[in-house]
Amino acid sequence: AQSVTQLDSHVSVSEGTPVLLRCNYSSSYSPSLFWYVQHPNKGLQLLLKYTSAATLVKGINGFEAEFKKSETSFHLTKPSAHMSDAAEYFCVVTFWGQGGKLIFGQGTELSVKP
Amino acid sequence: GAGVSQSPSNKVTEKGKDVELRCDPISGHTALYWYRQRLGQGLEFLIYFQGNSAPDKSGLPSDRFSAERTGESVSTLTIQRTQQEDSAVYLCASSLVGTPGANVLTFGAGSRLTVL
Repeated sequence: AQSVTQLDSHVSVSEGTPVLLRCNYSSSYSPSLFWYVQHPNKGLQLLLKYTSAATLVKGINGFEAEFKKSETSFHLTKPSAHMSDAAEYFCVVTFWGQGGKLIFGQGTELSVKP
Repeated sequence: GAGVSQSPSNKVTEKGKDVELRCDPISGHTALYWYRQRLGQGLEFLIYFQGNSAPDKSGLPSDRFSAERTGESVSTLTIQRTQQEDSAVYLCASSLVGTPGANVLTFGAGSRLTVL
C-alpha cells in the first residue's frame, strides 16, 4: 500500500538555525512528491515538487528537498529559519494510476523561536 | 477567477441537518478535488473530478456524503443528516489536469463546518 509518514509532529528551531522536516514514503511505484505549507488561517501553498527530474528540488522561500530512492525519503530543509516560516508543513505523495488522488502526511508543525 | 473560492467560509449547524458546501475552481482547471481536514490532523481525500465525472470517489466516508460538478466549473459537496464527527474544514482544490506528477493543486481557504 502507498503511504507517507512524517516522522515528527512538531519541530522547534531558533531563528537563523537550520530546519529539517522528515518525510518517508512507501510505494511500489515511482512517486511524485510535494511539500505544502499551511499558515494559520490561510490556504495550503505549494513549496516544491519532485516529478522524476533532478533529485534535489528547490522551492520557494529558500526551502529545498532531496529525493533519495534508496532511503524512500523526501526530507525538507532550509539553511536558516525565519520567524515567518512558522507553519504546518505537509509531505504529499501521488503515484501513476492513482488518478488525482494525493496522499497527505499527518503534518509537521514548525515553531521558530526568536 | 484568480483563485479557488469556497463558500461558506464558516458553517455552524445542528446535528441531523443537511449542509451544502460550494467550490468555484480556477477558470480552465479541469480537475477538482475535495479534502477534509479534522482538527490537528492531515488531509483526507474525499473525491476527485475530471471534468464533471468522478473517477475516484473512494474517500467519501459514507452514503451521507455526495458531490457533483457542473461541467468544468462549480462543485458542491453535500452532507446529509450531519453528525458531530463531520465537523472539520473541507478543502477544495483544482488543477489544470488530473495527471499525477503534473498535479500542482491550488487550494481554497476551506469551509469550516461545526456540527453541534
